[in-house]
Amino acid sequence: DTAVSQTPKYLVTQMGNDKSIKCEQNLGHDTMYWYKQDSKKFLKIMFSYNNKELIINETVPNRFSPKSPDKAHLNLHINSLELGDSAVYFCASSRPGTGSYEQYFGPGTRLTVT
Amino acid sequence: QKEVEQDPGPLSVPEGAIVSLNCTYSNSAFQYFMWYRQYSRKGPELLMYTYSSGNKEDGRFTAQVDKSSKYISLFIRDSQPSDSATYLCAQRPSGNTGKLIFGQGTTLQVKP
Repeated sequence: DTAVSQTPKYLVTQMGNDKSIKCEQNLGHDTMYWYKQDSKKFLKIMFSYNNKELIINETVPNRFSPKSPDKAHLNLHINSLELGDSAVYFCASSRPGTGSYEQYFGPGTRLTVT
Repeated sequence: QKEVEQDPGPLSVPEGAIVSLNCTYSNSAFQYFMWYRQYSRKGPELLMYTYSSGNKEDGRFTAQVDKSSKYISLFIRDSQPSDSATYLCAQRPSGNTGKLIFGQGTTLQVKP
């Protein structure tokens, strides 16, 4: 029983392409997140949705567009990929409010832009 | 200056050693203090959390928070090779958005 799943696990693409990453959680959580982890393992939040509503939108290029079709799914679409977008992207989920310190992470999507 | 700072290591210790991992933060508004563990090629998982100064113990792990000096530690007793991972310190500011601020993580290797 996978709690938070992401597809694909690996993504290799060329500069300028558009790609999407999908995330699903079966924990019944209301809140979902996208994080980016760079090559130095620095993990930084990008977006958060609570019940399909965007609640965190960090300083991220507008080439990145999240979408939450329902509270169990959160997708990330990236336009015009750049070399600097190469990283591991993690999806996470949590209960809202005081429970949000405990976030459940997916296995990550390793994106390589060539 | 990053809001949460950790020495990235790597830290290499022999099996059975006591490990001390440290983290400093700059924002007094942080309320929750967490340690996440991340194995290679996996997502982080919550190891321990606390919301007050003092110590919290869970098996071989002890988290220590000193809010006056904005200093957080994680101690691992009787370290095992299975403890080899990256340990991420995280804080959550006030409010309920769920935003977590992570440190860079310290990579620990426990040698048998």
